[in-house]
Amino acid sequence: GIQVEQSPPDLILQEGANSTLRCNFSDSVNNLQWFHQNPWGQLINLFYIPSGTKQNGRLSATTVATERYSLLYISSSQTTDSGVYFCAVDGSGTYKYIFGTGTRLKVLA
Amino acid sequence: DAGVTQSPTHLIKTRGQQVTLRCSPKSGHDTVSWYQQALGQGPQFIFQYYEEEERQRGNFPDRFSGHQFPNYSSELNVNALLLGDSALYLCASSRTAGYTFGSGTRLTVV
Repeated sequence: GIQVEQSPPDLILQEGANSTLRCNFSDSVNNLQWFHQNPWGQLINLFYIPSGTKQNGRLSATTVATERYSLLYISSSQTTDSGVYFCAVDGSGTYKYIFGTGTRLKVLA
Repeated sequence: DAGVTQSPTHLIKTRGQQVTLRCSPKSGHDTVSWYQQALGQGPQFIFQYYEEEERQRGNFPDRFSGHQFPNYSSELNVNALLLGDSALYLCASSRTAGYTFGSGTRLTVV
């Protein structure tokens, strides 16, 4: 099955810093989403982005499907950005998402 | 517009018991997927329901079963609970491509 790798596994930032999270996948995908899991376990959908670039406030994402990777950019980080960021991909077109191992982000005040 | 609702939020069960978790999808969504998330790991796909039938299944034993009702809500049943079944169980609903997740049920097996 499709493999999803995320990097870095852990990231510590000072408030106000920028960061880039990466998601590599081993095969072509039909669908891709980025999620933020808060400390209470809630998974929040950030982007649905099988290809191209999207922006939402301080967050933006780019997926280069032909090269099998996606990037999530966080600018001017805030303490509320802390948590785990997951990339999830669907390679079959049947909406069965496979999750990466996540990037654990901690933003310090 | 209500999102995905899961119940209960927390549950403690004894080894060997059976448990039922419930999920109400977001309005307008017709597909429900269930995931298991162990501590420190990413969510693992259990199965997916569409039109009241199991459409896809992940690598989970038959002790894990489910159901979808005509109103698209869903149940996850786990029989003969093991200590290793302790995890956060997440329900996601969708209609087309994007998932919306509920807050999860945290199951502890003692």
